[in-house]
Amino acid sequence: DGGITQSPKYLFRKEGQNVTLSCEQNLNHDAMYWYRQDPGQGLRLIYYSQIVNDFQKGDIAEGYSVSREKKESFPLTVTSAQKNPTAFYLCASSGTRGVDTQYFGPGTRLTVL
Amino acid sequence: DQQVKQNSPSLSVQEGRISILNCDYTNSMFDYFLWYKKYPAEGPTFLISISSIKDKNEDGRFTVFLNKSAKHLSLHIVPSQPGDSAVYFCAASVYGGATNKLIFGTGTLLAVQP
Repeated sequence: DGGITQSPKYLFRKEGQNVTLSCEQNLNHDAMYWYRQDPGQGLRLIYYSQIVNDFQKGDIAEGYSVSREKKESFPLTVTSAQKNPTAFYLCASSGTRGVDTQYFGPGTRLTVL
Repeated sequence: DQQVKQNSPSLSVQEGRISILNCDYTNSMFDYFLWYKKYPAEGPTFLISISSIKDKNEDGRFTVFLNKSAKHLSLHIVPSQPGDSAVYFCAASVYGGATNKLIFGTGTLLAVQP
């Protein structure tokens, strides 16, 4: 089955710790994205990558970092510099021709204790 | 600056009736629009899209209408079913732009009452 997987579903971390969220896709998509959703708000773009070994900051990149070493994988690290890391994190992927529909993973709920 | 706005945070509709979800945008460069449906603690799923060369696109019970002069689009669900209860997001982009970035609205929570 083709799709996007995110792990883990729920993640807890202590304040001051870095944590890495996993995102893998087998849709053969070139582009991948990370969004954050907070209660009552829409999806806000953190980082995106249109090709391997290249990525760009989205609207709220501060306190986050990413890598894109493989086409299938786009891990997101939430660093201790992120002031309000507790949120629901969503990964998506798409093609890169015109506006290709973005397909989303199931999300990871990160809670900072 | 919210470029895509969904001014109704919630909507309640009776089963079998029509649900109309609205979305406004401010950037006249947007020419491609999408609707996503999202259940709690899950990722959004794509519903339907429309490009600016059309004013209507239909897929089963779902129809999206685009009014470019008013910078307004709407999603109609007919007939509404209890399983349609979810948060609906509209998103906008520029077709063929340098990136495939989507700008999302804040969502509308639809509750379909049996």
